[in-house]
Amino acid sequence: DAKTTQPPSMDCAEGRAANLPCNHSTISGNEYVYWYRQIHSQGPQYIIHGLKNNETNEMASLIITEDRKSSTLILPHATLRDTAVYYCIVRAPRTNAGGTSYGKLTFGQGTILTVHP
Amino acid sequence: GAGVSQSPSNKVTEKGKDVELRCDPISGHTALYWYRQRLGQGLEFLIYFQGNSAPDKSGLPSDRFSAERTGESVSTLTIQRTQQEDSAVYLCASSVSRGGTQYFGPGTRLLVL
Repeated sequence: DAKTTQPPSMDCAEGRAANLPCNHSTISGNEYVYWYRQIHSQGPQYIIHGLKNNETNEMASLIITEDRKSSTLILPHATLRDTAVYYCIVRAPRTNAGGTSYGKLTFGQGTILTVHP
Repeated sequence: GAGVSQSPSNKVTEKGKDVELRCDPISGHTALYWYRQRLGQGLEFLIYFQGNSAPDKSGLPSDRFSAERTGESVSTLTIQRTQQEDSAVYLCASSVSRGGTQYFGPGTRLLVL
């Protein structure tokens, strides 16, 4: 799976939009961009994923650049409960011809987002 | 229905003892994954089950670690002769199919004294 690069930490004021960037310059054509977050002492929580088009759900929006080499997760109105480590992950959806499983998720260091009052 | 559940939520054991961790995936999810997260570290993949296929055990750190899954239901991760370096949060995730979105359980916090 392609490697991702994220800033180690970011701050955001409560009620403002939080924009978390991710670089994945070596992404392949069939690889999806996934975002998870992990709130302290909890298991990772799925947020959103996409391939080429921008995506939006009840939690966030995902903006993927046209060349797919970077993306931004947007939390439109951050709250204190959004304070967490946010992980950007790139992975292929299927097993390759050689049989190696791409099922696993490879988590990097992520971005520690701190939302302050 | 409910999300992924794991038990116990916390486990304290003595070095050298065996422990068994349980994961109940989301109903209907054919794929199941185990990960380990040491304090302040990222997630390490351990093992992956997909239906009746042979599991991908490539992430198991040693032969003291083993896991089983019966069909598409419960999975157990067993650590034999536990060591202090086994102390970590053990996370289970499941997905509808191979390559699908993974949903995580709350984890089991294992402390080996």
